[in-house]
Amino acid sequence: EVQLVESGGGLVQPGGSLRLSCAASGFTFSNYWMHWVRQAPGKGLVWVSHINSDGTSTSYADSVKGRFTISRDNAKNTLYVQTNSLRAEDAGVYYCVRDDPGIGMDVWGQGTTVTVSS
Amino acid sequence: DVVMTQSPLSLPVTLGQPASISCRSSQSLLHSDGNTYLNWFQQRPGQSPRRLIYYVSNRDSGVPDRFSGSGSGTDFTLKISRVEAEDVGLYYCMQGTQWPPWTFGQGTKVEIK
Repeated sequence: EVQLVESGGGLVQPGGSLRLSCAASGFTFSNYWMHWVRQAPGKGLVWVSHINSDGTSTSYADSVKGRFTISRDNAKNTLYVQTNSLRAEDAGVYYCVRDDPGIGMDVWGQGTTVTVSS
Repeated sequence: DVVMTQSPLSLPVTLGQPASISCRSSQSLLHSDGNTYLNWFQQRPGQSPRRLIYYVSNRDSGVPDRFSGSGSGTDFTLKISRVEAEDVGLYYCMQGTQWPPWTFGQGTKVEIK
């Protein structure tokens, strides 16, 4: 069974940092692009970042560029995002999403919640 | 950036009746490779999103055939032929043709009257 399990969320003060992780199983992780997508409380889905299959290419939403860094460890089947200089507007559920080659986003994790508050 | 606009944002439906959600993009979603990267996702209350439709009209495995997608260029539609109680939730269209960024519609809330 294809599974994505996020972790690392929590309560952080404005300006703080968190490292989110996503453990993948049930598929050949190294063959897939991956994304992070955020959903603020009661709001819609917003794409945050993507990384290609070998980690050599990444992209970011303008709102997080320079503050977030996406990475992956294919030997550990794990996706990461380092979130720095966190703001109130960064709060929400962060989903790890697999990208079906040639088709697009398909499988979503259960999400991990980030709360930014003093 | 490609802007995705859904309507309506709220859709009360009677059980057994059809429902239709519109999604319009600010630019054509036809890619130079001939594919149109328009997906539909369902998010039931308290759950993660689940893909229903890819390439405009292809249903994912396990998706009931009461769900169908259509459209081309900049205008797309998700239809539910007969709404069931389990269809309650939020529905999002998403484009993956012109990236980054990948962009979602605002979401349409389907509820039972």
